[in-house]
Amino acid sequence: AQKVTQAQTEISVVEKEDVTLDCVYETRDTTYYLFWYKQPPSGELVFLIRRNSFDEQNEISGRYSWNFQKSTSSFNFTITASQVVDSAVYFCALSEALRGGADGLTFGKGTHLIIQP
Amino acid sequence: DGGITQSPKYLFRKEGQNVTLSCEQNLNHDAMYWYRQDPGQGLRLIYYSQIVNDFQKGDIAEGYSVSREKKESFPLTVTSAQKNPTAFYLCASRLTGVGGGNQPQHFGDGTRLSIL
Repeated sequence: AQKVTQAQTEISVVEKEDVTLDCVYETRDTTYYLFWYKQPPSGELVFLIRRNSFDEQNEISGRYSWNFQKSTSSFNFTITASQVVDSAVYFCALSEALRGGADGLTFGKGTHLIIQP
Repeated sequence: DGGITQSPKYLFRKEGQNVTLSCEQNLNHDAMYWYRQDPGQGLRLIYYSQIVNDFQKGDIAEGYSVSREKKESFPLTVTSAQKNPTAFYLCASRLTGVGGGNQPQHFGDGTRLSIL
């Protein structure tokens, strides 16, 4: 069975600090997809990034970067120079390739990120 | 604008009552999903549908029912059998087909259901 673990329940940092959100996953599938979503206080989930299991390149998008390491089954998310608007709950999620991943996503429990001014 | 519309935003259920949450999408996505979110928890899959007139149970389907009569619509009914329905419900949709597993799910704004 697949599983996603986000061990950090809540993180609080002061604005402009860098912060890393951890994500560890378990799957028996050799092909899978990893995602990060942001949930602001309003409640909707905003898609941030997806990563294929066969693409281990790290990715940077502005102040956001993602470090994917298959050897440790981790897909960590770093925010550089954090801002108050980054305050939200962040979810890591996994989709297996079986049946095109149409079975839905397996989510971690989320990390509540608080950026203090 | 293309997107997913969930209604109502807030819903109250009386004991023994069935209630239906609406989810409509105009993204032309084949697959649709319902998730439940409890405080401090991640999202858990209730039901999903890959095509019209077909749907499958997710991890926590007991006490819920769905229908998929149209591609655009995937309503969720919370029945009286669901003893703890208070939660935040999110609907999502996704492209399928070649490389479908790589496609992100797009989410609606959610419905908050409470017991009176």
